[in-house]
Amino acid sequence: AQKVTQAQTEISVVEKEDVTLDCVYETRDTTYYLFWYKQPPSGELVFLIRRNSFDEQNEISGRYSWNFQKSTSSFNFTITASQVVDSAVYFCALSYYFTGANNLFFGTGTRLTVIP
Amino acid sequence: DVKVTQSSRYLVKRTGEKVFLECVQDMDHENMFWYRQDPGLGLRLIYFSYDVKMKEKGDIPEGYSVSREKKERFSLILESASTNQTSMYLCASSLGGGRETQYFGPGTRLLVL
Repeated sequence: AQKVTQAQTEISVVEKEDVTLDCVYETRDTTYYLFWYKQPPSGELVFLIRRNSFDEQNEISGRYSWNFQKSTSSFNFTITASQVVDSAVYFCALSYYFTGANNLFFGTGTRLTVIP
Repeated sequence: DVKVTQSSRYLVKRTGEKVFLECVQDMDHENMFWYRQDPGLGLRLIYFSYDVKMKEKGDIPEGYSVSREKKERFSLILESASTNQTSMYLCASSLGGGRETQYFGPGTRLLVL
């Protein structure tokens, strides 16, 4: 069974602090993809990153970085020097490789509030 | 630029009404999806379509149907709306296959009275 767990329901940080959002997944497949999406108050899910199971290199994009560790089945997301505009709900998701049509398994999300 | 649009941002309907939610994508994607999002439950897949006139049930299809007559358009239909269908509905599309990223529309907040 596929499962994505985001244990942190809500996090509050003060602006300019660093914050890490945790994501732990379960799958028996050796080939899969992991995603992070951001959902601001407007409601639209914005794609942030996709990572395949064979690529464990960490990735950095501006203030965002992602740490993928297969040994612990985790795909954590760090925001450095947080800003008020980072306030949103963040979703981690897992998808199969060998499906006829894409099917994402979402975690329940982490609500991040950045306090000015 | 990736673009998925949904016909309404907010919708108020009465119990028993037939409700149509429309989604259009301009990326020539094969796959389209309908999710609903509820507090504490995350996103749950209602239906998806991998080709014109093709559809597959997701995790919670009861009370819903879908229609895909053209590649770019995917409609979600609530045959007889009920109050437990009050929710946020999100449409998405992707090129195809498990590796591809799903791109989402802005969502429709539906209130059924």
